[in-house]
Amino acid sequence: QVQVVESGGGVVQPGRSLRLSCEASKFTFSNYAMHWVRQGPGKGLEWVAVISFDGTKKYYADSVKGRFSISRDNSRSTVYLQMNSLRREDTALYYCAREGVSYSGMDVWGQGTTVTVSS
Amino acid sequence: QSVLTQPPSASGTPGQRVTISCSGTRPNIGDNYVYWYQQLPGTAPKVLIYKTNQRSSGVPDRFSGSKSGTSASLAISGLRSDDEAHYYCAAWDDSLSGWVFGGGTMLTVL
Repeated sequence: QVQVVESGGGVVQPGRSLRLSCEASKFTFSNYAMHWVRQGPGKGLEWVAVISFDGTKKYYADSVKGRFSISRDNSRSTVYLQMNSLRREDTALYYCAREGVSYSGMDVWGQGTTVTVSS
Repeated sequence: QSVLTQPPSASGTPGQRVTISCSGTRPNIGDNYVYWYQQLPGTAPKVLIYKTNQRSSGVPDRFSGSKSGTSASLAISGLRSDDEAHYYCAAWDDSLSGWVFGGGTMLTVL
């Protein structure tokens, strides 16, 4: 079935870097914009970044601008989130989500990968 | 502090109708579509309403969305115990050039 699967989470010290991956399957990945959304422990959803279907447009939340970078490899059906200068407040469950066609919202979500920033 | 403001909690009894509000400003709700997501305990979010008032595939017509000015609402009629979840509103924000979510509303079915 149509799905996205995140990986790459883990425990990392403040100031260090981590790269998350999200591999898509059973749909034409190159036709869709992709998002990263995070959820801190016991908190609500926070949008992180989005990349257009062809990778030419990227937008970021102010809280991660200049530290995180979103990219994609359509040949591998994978979207990435490079996270640099990590802070304790970046600790969260990171979801990858597909943006549906015709403004239909984030219509496919993964189960998330956990990032813990701690010394 | 979320850009979109939701009540932290709401409740109702089975069969009742409940409404969850989402307050924003012109750059987000005022000028763009509103989306509603449902997050059941321990699961990933799921889109319920898109383009302000369109139900996603498989979503029962008990769920409906609306907007007036810079505020939006999600209404759930015929409340059921399995509607107990967190509900989040979201919209694109033209000023921030990014997506914004509300803080979420925990719906309890008494």
